[in-house]
Amino acid sequence: DSGVTQTPKHLITATGQRVTLRCSPRSGDLSVYWYQQSLDQGLQFLIQYYNGEERAKGNILERFSAQQFPDLHSELNLSSLELGDSALYFCASSVAVTDNEQFFGPGTRLTVL
Amino acid sequence: ILNVEQSPQSLHVQEGDSTNFTCSFPSSNFYALHWYRWETAKSPEALFVMTLNGDEKKKGRISATLNTKEGYSYLYIKGSQPEDSATYLCAPILTGGGNKLTFGTGTQLKVEL
Repeated sequence: DSGVTQTPKHLITATGQRVTLRCSPRSGDLSVYWYQQSLDQGLQFLIQYYNGEERAKGNILERFSAQQFPDLHSELNLSSLELGDSALYFCASSVAVTDNEQFFGPGTRLTVL
Repeated sequence: ILNVEQSPQSLHVQEGDSTNFTCSFPSSNFYALHWYRWETAKSPEALFVMTLNGDEKKKGRISATLNTKEGYSYLYIKGSQPEDSATYLCAPILTGGGNKLTFGTGTQLKVEL
């Protein structure tokens, strides 16, 4: 158990819908990261927050947005969902901004029908 | 786009064999390299974070070396055990990239009895 929690574990929804994935980092970690793992691709970095502020952005679609709240939990919002958004979404956390190991949560499996 | 290559793609070894895999990455603007172990149906788990050229890290039977000038890292497993079966991912971080990990596609290791 990494200490990072993600909810829900599974999510099934329809195309065009909007969902919110939630992540609570390990106690004391200020940085939160979101990753996407699709069937035909490896782990893709989406976005990083540090102490409430966006710090790095990857190949995150405009339909996706994220935020980190004052209590340091983070939410990833996915809207206008498409079939291709079906994937495993991981959240990870680390103590600081750079060169610290990241601790991954169990992931949220999103299925878009 | 950061090009990260891992080889081999997959590897089958017998219990007790020693093995090694390679991670290649661009040597310019290097900041750090992460190694992760990812077992099926679990989350990626950090093995090492390496930053200095010539760095060598060890955790039990697993060790890693880093050559930042030529842009590669080796991961070694001594006396492989069935519980070592997993996908091993490397992810370099470039300077100015926050803590954004760009994962390679991994080396899938299967250790057979």
